[in-house]
Amino acid sequence: DTGVSQDPRHKITKRGQNVTFRCDPISEHNRLYWYRQTLGQGPEFLTYFQNEAQLEKSRLLSDRFSAERPKGSFSTLEIQRTEQGDSAMYLCASSRVLADNEQFFGPGTRLTVL
Amino acid sequence: GDSVTQMEGPVTLSEEAFLTINCTYTATGYPSLFWYVQYPGEGLQLLLKATKADDKGSNKGFEATYRKETTSFHLEKGSVQVSDSAVYFCAPINSGAGSYQLTFGKGTKLSVIP
Repeated sequence: DTGVSQDPRHKITKRGQNVTFRCDPISEHNRLYWYRQTLGQGPEFLTYFQNEAQLEKSRLLSDRFSAERPKGSFSTLEIQRTEQGDSAMYLCASSRVLADNEQFFGPGTRLTVL
Repeated sequence: GDSVTQMEGPVTLSEEAFLTINCTYTATGYPSLFWYVQYPGEGLQLLLKATKADDKGSNKGFEATYRKETTSFHLEKGSVQVSDSAVYFCAPINSGAGSYQLTFGKGTKLSVIP
């Protein structure tokens, strides 16, 4: 058990609906990352936070996606107007600063858009 | 940007066989290098890492050596077990270039048969 938790574990939604996922990192970790993994592929980076600041965003993160980490602890990832192409596993990871960049992953949230 | 090329799977081996999974990367500067493993139905777990040239990472009988001259980080194990059946991902991170995202390969699925 890595200590990173994600909620929900599974989400089924209809196209056009909004969805929100939550990630709780390991408590002493001040960096938090979101990745997306589609079937048969490796995870792709979406965004990362250091404390409450969002410091890096991928071009994959369209304007329908927004992530927050308001108090530097848990984070939310919202997808607006979902599309079938958004169906994927959304992974959260956390790390400490100056810890060889070791990232610890949560179990993921599997999103299915019908 | 950074990229990773991993040996394509699936790889099927008999128990106690020798394993090599090739990984080469392109990156500016001197990235840290990681191998992650994803067991069936589970989340990503860090398997081993190396942070500078000629470092050897090791864990659970697996080893990989950071070869700067060939930009490679091949994963090896002398004697695989059925419990090693999983998907293995090579991933550099280039924090020296100011990025903290892991760049994953497509993954190599390993099946070990008794």
